[in-house]
Amino acid sequence: DGGITQSPKYLFRKEGQNVTLSCEQNLNHDAMYWYRQDPGQGLRLIYYSQIVNDFQKGDIAEGYSVSREKKESFPLTVTSAQKNPTAFYLCASSPDRVGTGELFFGEGSRLTVL
Amino acid sequence: GNSVTQMEGPVTLSEEAFLTINCTYTATGYPSLFWYVQYPGEGLQLLLKATKADDKGSNKGFEATYRKETTSFHLEKGSVQVSDSAVYFCALMPSGGSYIPTFGRGTSLIVHP
Repeated sequence: DGGITQSPKYLFRKEGQNVTLSCEQNLNHDAMYWYRQDPGQGLRLIYYSQIVNDFQKGDIAEGYSVSREKKESFPLTVTSAQKNPTAFYLCASSPDRVGTGELFFGEGSRLTVL
Repeated sequence: GNSVTQMEGPVTLSEEAFLTINCTYTATGYPSLFWYVQYPGEGLQLLLKATKADDKGSNKGFEATYRKETTSFHLEKGSVQVSDSAVYFCALMPSGGSYIPTFGRGTSLIVHP
């Protein structure tokens, strides 16, 4: 079945460590997004990419990095520079230039800093 | 810039009650409008959408009408069930080539038996 797969679902990190969250899609979508969700705060855009080898900062990019080397993959690295990384992270994709702009979401990754 | 405003939650209802969750937006041009639903511990799923003025999106008993004159896209359901308990997000995708969606803050719905 087509969809978006995020892994791992749960991740624990010690302070000072970098961690990478995986996001893979087999929907042949051009655009991919990373969001952070904190309780009661809705979704905040971290990074987005509309084409391979290109990505743009969102509203809260500091302390995060991404790459888009393949159309189907958009991994997010949470670096040690991110001061408060404990959150629920959501990856999404969209057909972009075709369709109405609906986003397809993964199941999310919950990161906890110990 | 673009913005989406939703009513604050939580909204608490008894089973079979009528549901309205208000959503208004600010955007230039003719955005597409969406309602997404998020169940605990999961990602968001599209609930319904509307792409032009006066369109009505509907799914699983939920409805919302794209009202350009009032810049609104209120979510309604005639009879809620306990299984509808979730967080609901209103969102827009702007027209004109900027594929960056704007989300509301979400409204939590709790339905009691």
